[in-house]
Amino acid sequence: KAGVTQTPRYLIKTRGQQVTLSCSPISGHRSVSWYQQTPGQGLQFLFEYFSETQRNKGNFPGRFSGRQFSNSRSEMNVSTLELGDSALYLCASSSSSGGAHEQFFGPGTRLTVL
Amino acid sequence: SQQGEEDPQALSIQEGENATMNCSYKTSINNLQWYRQNSGRGLVHLILIRSNEREKHSGRLRVTLDTSKKSSSLLITASRAADTASYFCATDYRAQSGNTGKLIFGQGTTLQVKP
Repeated sequence: KAGVTQTPRYLIKTRGQQVTLSCSPISGHRSVSWYQQTPGQGLQFLFEYFSETQRNKGNFPGRFSGRQFSNSRSEMNVSTLELGDSALYLCASSSSSGGAHEQFFGPGTRLTVL
Repeated sequence: SQQGEEDPQALSIQEGENATMNCSYKTSINNLQWYRQNSGRGLVHLILIRSNEREKHSGRLRVTLDTSKKSSSLLITASRAADTASYFCATDYRAQSGNTGKLIFGQGTTLQVKP
């Protein structure tokens, strides 16, 4: 099976712009979670989607949003970018329909906000 | 806020030695998982231990879980240079309303294995 893929791998944006990141889960996995990783805050949970529904959400402002399509692919959007949004964004997929079991991570998208 | 706290933050050993990393957490969990990350890349799942298990092995990895102390340890035996990476513990915490898809990660231990 192909692993989790994320596009793009690298992105450079300026403050105030918006960005959309994409994640394709492992075939058959219906749960997709998103995380932000920064040197200061570490790995933080953004949200989780299952069957096109957001089931869980972390403590991030409304500028961070996401969605999931019928084929389980997911996108996350960040509007009005701030310098502090520079981070590695990781998505993970899981076959679990409940709880937070073993998650398979993609390589991440490194976002730099100038 | 992060639930897991890991120590040490950094560990440097010689090839062939054993490496032990510890993780502590705050609330009741369903399971605890360990992940490895190489140079800011994606995370690789290493092992999952459920709250009713005390010890688990996978190859050169040994994980213990003490729910009374809310702590876990990861032992890597006979380390290799290729084990150089950051290691994270992650907890699937137990919540009344149910918790889906959310892992809470520790800040990680950076392991360097010198050849």
